Amino acid sequence: DQQVKQNSPSLSVQEGRISILNCDYTNSMFDYFLWYKKYPAEGPTFLISISSIKDKNEDGRFTVFLNKSAKHLSLHIVPSQPGDSAVYFCAASSTGANNLFFGTGTRLTVIP
Amino acid sequence: EAQVTQNPRYLITVTGKKLTVTCSQNMNHEYMSWYRQDPGLGLRQIYYSMNVEVTDKGDVPEGYKVSRKEKRNFPLILESPSPNQTSLYFCASNQGNTGELFFGEGSRLTVL
Repeated sequence: DQQVKQNSPSLSVQEGRISILNCDYTNSMFDYFLWYKKYPAEGPTFLISISSIKDKNEDGRFTVFLNKSAKHLSLHIVPSQPGDSAVYFCAASSTGANNLFFGTGTRLTVIP
Repeated sequence: EAQVTQNPRYLITVTGKKLTVTCSQNMNHEYMSWYRQDPGLGLRQIYYSMNVEVTDKGDVPEGYKVSRKEKRNFPLILESPSPNQTSLYFCASNQGNTGELFFGEGSRLTVL
């Protein structure tokens, strides 16, 4: 049973516009959320995270929003650049756990 | 350069022929883990290790073994590979329990 879900397998956005990637989770014990970015033939790389005590975290062009009541988080990329084209994975964990639960990924294509 | 190194990157083998995928990290991280990535399932944890000689099962440990005799190395052993272990495997390390994993580049394994 998938505890972290990314329902959009792909997303295409024009360069300069905003990209919004969504993620839903089912386990209310999750209190730490992360986004990873993956290019072909490479391992995932950490992008940004958010603790459940916050509802927003920003790092340059990347912002993650967390809505605990809806069990939903989103990653905003603005402005989108062609180099942002990659697969983005959402992940979640709970305090004290040694496992990250990953979504199935969303492939973002930024069109020049 | 901080990195997690996996070998081999690509391997085709036959059912029942024991194989080992090596993983080494140069960041002195305490935690190391193995994940497999399958279409429609995201990344799932196989095994993890909190320190030397301390390992535990993840979500999908069946058919795999691990060992942690040195802090930097965490090999994944398939004693008798089967076709359902055909997958893309990632080794990861992290310091503490932050969830901010550093991933290797992946090992694509095909079992015929």
